[in-house]
Amino acid sequence: DAKTTQPNSMESNEEEPVHLPCNHSTISGTDYIHWYRQLPSQGPEYVIHGLTSNVNNRMASLAIAEDRKSSTLILHRATLRDAAVYYCIPPQTQGGSEKLVFGKGTKLTVNP
Amino acid sequence: NAGVTQTPKFRVLKTGQSMTLLCAQDMNHEYMYWYRQDPGMGLRLIHYSVGEGTTAKGEVPDGYNVSRLKKQNFLLGLESAAPSQTSVYFCASSRIPPGRGSTGELFFGEGSRLTVL
Repeated sequence: DAKTTQPNSMESNEEEPVHLPCNHSTISGTDYIHWYRQLPSQGPEYVIHGLTSNVNNRMASLAIAEDRKSSTLILHRATLRDAAVYYCIPPQTQGGSEKLVFGKGTKLTVNP
Repeated sequence: NAGVTQTPKFRVLKTGQSMTLLCAQDMNHEYMYWYRQDPGMGLRLIHYSVGEGTTAKGEVPDGYNVSRLKKQNFLLGLESAAPSQTSVYFCASSRIPPGRGSTGELFFGEGSRLTVL
């Protein structure tokens, strides 16, 4: 199963871009990379997912390295509401079933 | 559209008491999950269900039981609560399994904060 490495915390200023890195060097060729975030006192919410090419949606962009061993979640203009814990999650197989296993993620602080 | 609803949102129990957390989803999803989250930790999977009438163990199933009698509901039970079960519990559902080769998106509830004294 793929293992991920994310920084424990990052800081950004409001309205500046934020690049959240994730290393997943053991990911297999067909595994999608999922990103979720958890706002304070809320359940996690889906942000974006991708396989090989860069992906964009209304929340963020996902840049996936050509060798797929790392990816970067990009928030183009951070707002205070983006302060959250961001999880980079490749799928894992446990007990014969496939599921998403959440690590500790990166806690993003956005300064006004 | 309510999505995933968890009840109760807060509960305080004494050691040895029992209780049930209810998760309800209105998206007709097949897959449902119960996670727990402890301070400074990520989410750990307790039990999950791949459809009505089915349940399976996750990473930390001991001390919990689950049932999925109706497709829209997934119940998490604590038969004899222990202080180690003090945690925030999250329920999630998905249309397809969010696993390998899958784009299945998880939808989470707002959480149920349980304190066991």
